Amino acid sequence: EAQVTQNPRYLITVTGKKLTVTCSQNMNHEYMSWYRQDPGLGLRQIYYSMNVEVTDKGDVPEGYKVSRKEKRNFPLILESPSPNQTSLYFCASSTRGTGGRQFFGPGTRLTVL
Amino acid sequence: GQQVMQIPQYQHVQEGEDFTTYCNSSTTLSNIQWYKQRPGGHPVFLIQLVKSGEVKKQKRLTFQFGEAKKNSSLHITATQTTDVGTYFCAGKGTTGFQKLVFGTGTRLLVSP
Repeated sequence: EAQVTQNPRYLITVTGKKLTVTCSQNMNHEYMSWYRQDPGLGLRQIYYSMNVEVTDKGDVPEGYKVSRKEKRNFPLILESPSPNQTSLYFCASSTRGTGGRQFFGPGTRLTVL
Repeated sequence: GQQVMQIPQYQHVQEGEDFTTYCNSSTTLSNIQWYKQRPGGHPVFLIQLVKSGEVKKQKRLTFQFGEAKKNSSLHITATQTTDVGTYFCAGKGTTGFQKLVFGTGTRLLVSP
């Protein structure tokens, strides 16, 4: 089944404790991206990747890192999480970059205390 | 930078009533996409519009792309409880590589 998977689905952590949210897609998509969703603000892009080893900042990249060592994986790294990073995170992939349909993962709900 | 505004933020209708959400961009778009997010779920692609003035239908849903390619609308005829969720538009700019900018979404509640 074509899908985007994320892990963990739920995470409660404390300020400053490094964490990684994994994202994997099995559709051989070149384009992958990370969004955060907050009430009243919609979906805001954190980082995106056009292909392996090619990443760039989205609209809200501060406090986040990403890597794209393999085509299928695009992990999101929070090196020193803070409470303002409490949010719902979605990974997405697409075969045609921003010109095509985005396939979203199930989401990761992160709480930083 | 490019901004995409969506109105209304929230609408509560009785089952059988119609519903419309509007999307407006600060810049001309090369395409616009619509997504639906059910409560507790993730955004799911509904449709993409590319041409100026384009109208597409999916059963009770009608999507329009404005003539100037700066606005779009989604109209649902005779809503059903299964239409509950948040509807997002997402617009892509016209020059170079442009990010896909999502609107703030319209949350639809349908009472039986």
